[in-house]
Amino acid sequence: DQQVKQNSPSLSVQEGRISILNCDYTNSMFDYFLWYKKYPAEGPTFLISISSIKDKNEDGRFTVFLNKSAKHLSLHIVPSQPGDSAVYFCAAKGNSGNTPLVFGKGTRLSVIA
Amino acid sequence: KAGVTQTPRYLIKTRGQQVTLSCSPISGHRSVSWYQQTPGQGLQFLFEYFSETQRNKGNFPGRFSGRQFSNSRSEMNVSTLELGDSALYLCASSSTGGSTEAFFGQGTRLTVV
Repeated sequence: DQQVKQNSPSLSVQEGRISILNCDYTNSMFDYFLWYKKYPAEGPTFLISISSIKDKNEDGRFTVFLNKSAKHLSLHIVPSQPGDSAVYFCAAKGNSGNTPLVFGKGTRLSVIA
Repeated sequence: KAGVTQTPRYLIKTRGQQVTLSCSPISGHRSVSWYQQTPGQGLQFLFEYFSETQRNKGNFPGRFSGRQFSNSRSEMNVSTLELGDSALYLCASSSTGGSTEAFFGQGTRLTVV
């Protein structure tokens, strides 16, 4: 039972263009969402997060959008760079303070020069 | 500030054996979570320890166990290894656990032959 779904296993984008990575969730108790980036042979690194009280959070080239009614969030990377090529994981947690992060299966982004 | 340290980085074991993995969290962090990553399955939550107590547990069989010491270091043990246990095991630490971003180690790559 996947509570966090990333339906695109992979995505290829030209350098300089926008990358849009999507994530859907089923648990309405989730109230905090995070994106992690993972390079091969390394652990995931935190990228950006958003609370359910917001619908957008921006940090440099990275913007996360949250649509609570659709239970959908997306990560926009503009402009995309070759160094952005990695696996991106969407994660969510519930509104009880001690619940663990629930991760999606990841989307492999390839930025082509 | 040192990051999350996991040892060993790589491990090869035979079916039926048992294995112990170690994780040293970021100094001052009291929460340690363990995840299993297999191809196509994302990060599956194993368990979380906070102040030496298991606070959350995922849907894994009892062969998977863990503990946390008074210095917040954590160990994960897998007994009676199966081929399907081959995976990257990731440890994440956070100051309070769950809600805020978690910082991951590089992982231990376990291969069961």
